[in-house]
Amino acid sequence: QVQLQESGPGLVKPSGTLSLTCAVSGGSISSSNWWSWVRQPPGKGLEWIGEIYHSGSTNYNPSLKSRVTISVDKSKNQFSLKLSSVTAADTAVYYCARGLRGHWYFDLWGRGTLVTVSS
Amino acid sequence: QSALTQPASVSGSPGQSITISCTGTSSDVGGYNYVSWYQQRPGKAPKLMIYEVNNRPSGVSNRFSGSKSGNTASLTISGLRAEDEADYYCSSYTSTSTLSYVFGTGTGVTVL
Repeated sequence: QVQLQESGPGLVKPSGTLSLTCAVSGGSISSSNWWSWVRQPPGKGLEWIGEIYHSGSTNYNPSLKSRVTISVDKSKNQFSLKLSSVTAADTAVYYCARGLRGHWYFDLWGRGTLVTVSS
Repeated sequence: QSALTQPASVSGSPGQSITISCTGTSSDVGGYNYVSWYQQRPGKAPKLMIYEVNNRPSGVSNRFSGSKSGNTASLTISGLRAEDEADYYCSSYTSTSTLSYVFGTGTGVTVL
């Protein structure tokens, strides 16, 4: 079955750029799905960051749009997140998730990875 | 966009039914049948429990059901069990500003 696995540095310095990758295994990233990033600060709720289709089309949360870039690498069957100018408020568990095209829910999630912003 | 509003906590005894509300606006919950619900246990990723208001994915107990009236969606858990203790989040498609998702504030369910 399809699985998602996040990877990337667990510690990022303030004002730096957070970079994470989500590897898709057991299926193709070119299937009819949108691929999203969702984050959760410690002890707080979920926040949708943005999504990408295998064609490269993207949608972003308006509150983060100026700092977010999501890209896809079909050759590696993975997609990535870059969040620039990070502050302590960006400390969170970052999840990648799958959404079905034409629908608006996430049926598959990665296990999540904690990213801490600190000097 | 603003988060959907959920009660911070709901509790019930084993065997009872509880309902969690999720209030939004006509630009999200009230305008579309794209409300979903997720269960999140401590230290774990969210799990899809209900999609498109009242549909259950394969493998989810029929003790979980969803509904919607106006700008408020609801998740009902019947026959409450200890294993249902978790945080629950609603989510909806939203047409505000740009095509996107919005999550609820989350509800902690306690089984007494």
